[in-house]
Amino acid sequence: NAGVTQTPKFQVLKTGQSMTLQCAQDMNHNSMYWYRQDPGMGLRLIYYSASEGTTDKGEVPNGYNVSRLNKREFSLRLESAAPSQTSVYFCASSDSLSGEQFFGPGTRLTVL
Amino acid sequence: SQKIEQNSEALNIQEGKTATLTCNYTNYSPAYLQWYRQDPGRGPVFLLLIRENEKEKRKERLKVTFDTTLKQSLFHITASQPADSATYLCALTQAAGNKLTFGGGTRVLVKP
Repeated sequence: NAGVTQTPKFQVLKTGQSMTLQCAQDMNHNSMYWYRQDPGMGLRLIYYSASEGTTDKGEVPNGYNVSRLNKREFSLRLESAAPSQTSVYFCASSDSLSGEQFFGPGTRLTVL
Repeated sequence: SQKIEQNSEALNIQEGKTATLTCNYTNYSPAYLQWYRQDPGRGPVFLLLIRENEKEKRKERLKVTFDTTLKQSLFHITASQPADSATYLCALTQAAGNKLTFGGGTRVLVKP
């Protein structure tokens, strides 16, 4: 089992460019999440999907969109990147919303 | 407003001693509290989950306590080793079926 995989591992964007971060899990989990982690800020929830076919905003959704493509895949899209979106992005999955979460290796994004 | 507080100062400890980390929360009535370990450049890894009706949970050299009166969880690493050096995050959920909220984490450095 690969667990939770994320692509890409690193990305540099210019302000205004768009990109999609991909996430996939092979544990048949119902719930999936996107977090960002900044120094001194801990993990902040951007969007989550409680189950296939549903998505909800988290704590910091502005500037992002998500798609729960199927039960395995949950993508995060930045339509017009801004320097404030420079961060490390983690995808996670769990069997239920309150259950233990399994995290991917992260994507380090820099917006110039 | 709801808050989860972990000591943002790093905890330096001598090998073999017990490391004790705190997680305090306000304006929450958590049903579950979880602890995660995060190594530099990696995603968090689940360690332990404790329920509101449990006072203590153990796993190998790890022990977690949960005091809903004090609104606090303590995380202990006994007989600490340099390999225990990492950042430890607490996370809680208000009720079964609700998503997790993470604290900012505490960095632990175990010196040989």
